[in-house]
Amino acid sequence: EADIYQTPRYLVIGTGKKITLECSQTMGHDKMYWYQQDPGMELHLIHYSYGVNSTEKGDLSSESTVSRIRTEHFPLTLESARPSHTSQYLCASRGEGQGNNEQFFGPGTRLTVL
Amino acid sequence: GENVEQHPSTLSVQEGDSAVIKCTYSDSASNYFPWYKQELGKRPQLIIDIRSNVGEKKDQRIAVTLNKTAKHFSLHITETQPEDSAVYFCAASKGNTPLVFGKGTRLSVIA
Repeated sequence: EADIYQTPRYLVIGTGKKITLECSQTMGHDKMYWYQQDPGMELHLIHYSYGVNSTEKGDLSSESTVSRIRTEHFPLTLESARPSHTSQYLCASRGEGQGNNEQFFGPGTRLTVL
Repeated sequence: GENVEQHPSTLSVQEGDSAVIKCTYSDSASNYFPWYKQELGKRPQLIIDIRSNVGEKKDQRIAVTLNKTAKHFSLHITETQPEDSAVYFCAASKGNTPLVFGKGTRLSVIA
């Protein structure tokens, strides 16, 4: 079944560590996104991509980077985690065209930085 | 760029009553307006969307209306049930640009 997968689902790490949050989709979508969201609160766009080799910064880059080497894979890296990075991170993908424009979200990674 | 305002931030209704959530947008070129529902601990999920060439769309108890002149759109939920309790987000976009989300409305349906 076509879906968006995120790993890990939960992560607790110490300050200063480098981490990579994984996101893969089998939707066949070109457009992918990363959001930061405290539970039930506003969605903040961190990075997005229009396709392979395309990456753009959102409103909240939060000292993170992304890469898009393959269509289905869009990992997010925090070079040096801080307690202010504690949040939930949601990956999303979106189709193209009038009949296929829905944006789907992954299940999220809940990150705690001690 | 686009800016989306959403009201109210919290809404409590009695079971069986209707609920209305309103959003305004700033960019008159925006042409796609989805609504997402996020239950506690779950991912946001699309519940209904509307394009700028349509004024109203309905799906069972849920309807969305769009007023392009005033640049606002609304979500209407009739005959609310406890399972409608969630956070609802509106969004707007044009072409290939990312969705711009409102800040969300926490709906509580009281049995």
